[in-house]
Amino acid sequence: EVQLVQSGAEVKKPGESLRISCKGSGYSFTSYWISWVRQMPGKGLEWMGRIDPSDSYTNYSPSFQGHVTISADKSISTAYLQWSSLKASDTAMYYCARRDPTLQFDYWGQGTLVTVSS
Amino acid sequence: DIQMTQSPSSLSASVGDRVTITCRASQSISSYLNWYQQKPGKAPKLLIYAASSLQSGVPSRFSGSGSGTDFTLTISSLQPEDFATYYCQQSYSTPSFGPGTKVDIK
Repeated sequence: EVQLVQSGAEVKKPGESLRISCKGSGYSFTSYWISWVRQMPGKGLEWMGRIDPSDSYTNYSPSFQGHVTISADKSISTAYLQWSSLKASDTAMYYCARRDPTLQFDYWGQGTLVTVSS
Repeated sequence: DIQMTQSPSSLSASVGDRVTITCRASQSISSYLNWYQQKPGKAPKLLIYAASSLQSGVPSRFSGSGSGTDFTLTISSLQPEDFATYYCQQSYSTPSFGPGTKVDIK
């Protein structure tokens, strides 16, 4: 069974750093890109960027370029999303999603809620 | 970037109703259009990919059509478990989602 399991909810202060994770199982982790998607409270879905776990090549949405970093460790089938300096506006639910070769997001993690508040 | 719009933004319907949601792309995306369902507190779920292909395990009351810039998602007979928010997403270029259509109970 294909699963993407994300790390738990986080509460952080502005300016702090954070890394959240997404562990894939039940499939060949290096054969599918992983994307990260943001959903701010009560809002829609925003694509942040993606990584090819086979070579760690990344693409970012211009809206998120420079503010987050996506990485992966293929030895443990895990992708990461990290911030070096959080802002209150980063408060959101973050989802990882697997991109099928036919280009849709066919499996999603359960989401990680990040709350940034002083 | 390709912008996606959806209409309506929300609708109220009854069990058994036929529901149609429209998605429009700012430029032609061929058939690179996917539909997702999201229930409160849950991750999105893929329903339709490549405009009209039904994802495995998704009930056949869901269908998709369209190509180019205009697409529709149809629920032929709305069931209680279908009350949710629906998003379209283009996969022609850098992925982008529509703003969503909330389907609630009339």
